[in-house]
Amino acid sequence: GAGVSQSPSNKVTEKGKDVELRCDPISGHTALYWYRQSLGQGLEFLIYFQGNSAPDKSGLPSDRFSAERTGGSVSTLTIQRTQQEDSAVYLCASSPQGESYEQYFGPGTRLTVT
Amino acid sequence: DQQVKQNSPSLSVQEGRISILNCDYTNSMFDYFLWYKKYPAEGPTFLISISSIKDKNEDGRFTVFLNKSAKHLSLHIVPSQPGDSAVYFCAASAMAGTYKYIFGTGTRLKVLA
Repeated sequence: GAGVSQSPSNKVTEKGKDVELRCDPISGHTALYWYRQSLGQGLEFLIYFQGNSAPDKSGLPSDRFSAERTGGSVSTLTIQRTQQEDSAVYLCASSPQGESYEQYFGPGTRLTVT
Repeated sequence: DQQVKQNSPSLSVQEGRISILNCDYTNSMFDYFLWYKKYPAEGPTFLISISSIKDKNEDGRFTVFLNKSAKHLSLHIVPSQPGDSAVYFCAASAMAGTYKYIFGTGTRLKVLA
């Protein structure tokens, strides 16, 4: 069956521009997570969705970062006024129900801010 | 400061031999540990877990060992196969059933045919 998909796979943007990253979770998965991996770092948790609501946004690094999820499915992570330190691979994951460590990850979006 | 450390960024092993990937952590409250495997251009996939009530968990060719007093865990792959070549991440958490794990930076394993 179809796994988690993310688009675009690569994004190069100029400093100061806004970007939107998209995640399509596995159909029927109620929980969705966003992570990022900066160069030389481990995966860093950003936000967790249960359905369309985000009970945990504690990992978002600044108010330039926001995310939404609609219809309990697709999620968009938006970064406003991008900075060079935002350059990273952004990973999305989903799990069948509730909080779980057994997550199914997408291939990620590599964001480069020039 | 990295709470979960994988000090070897890369490791090469001959096919058929044992691969040992190491992970150290600093937070004594961590009780739940995971290993994920990641192939190029793919997302990480869950491999194996262990909780602190055990010191060993085995799943086929993969065994994870936990030494709580040393704050150290290791993943053993026996025998190693070329298809095991990937980046391996360890992760740790202080809470059961949670998604909030602290991940290490990964070790790239290359199994030579």
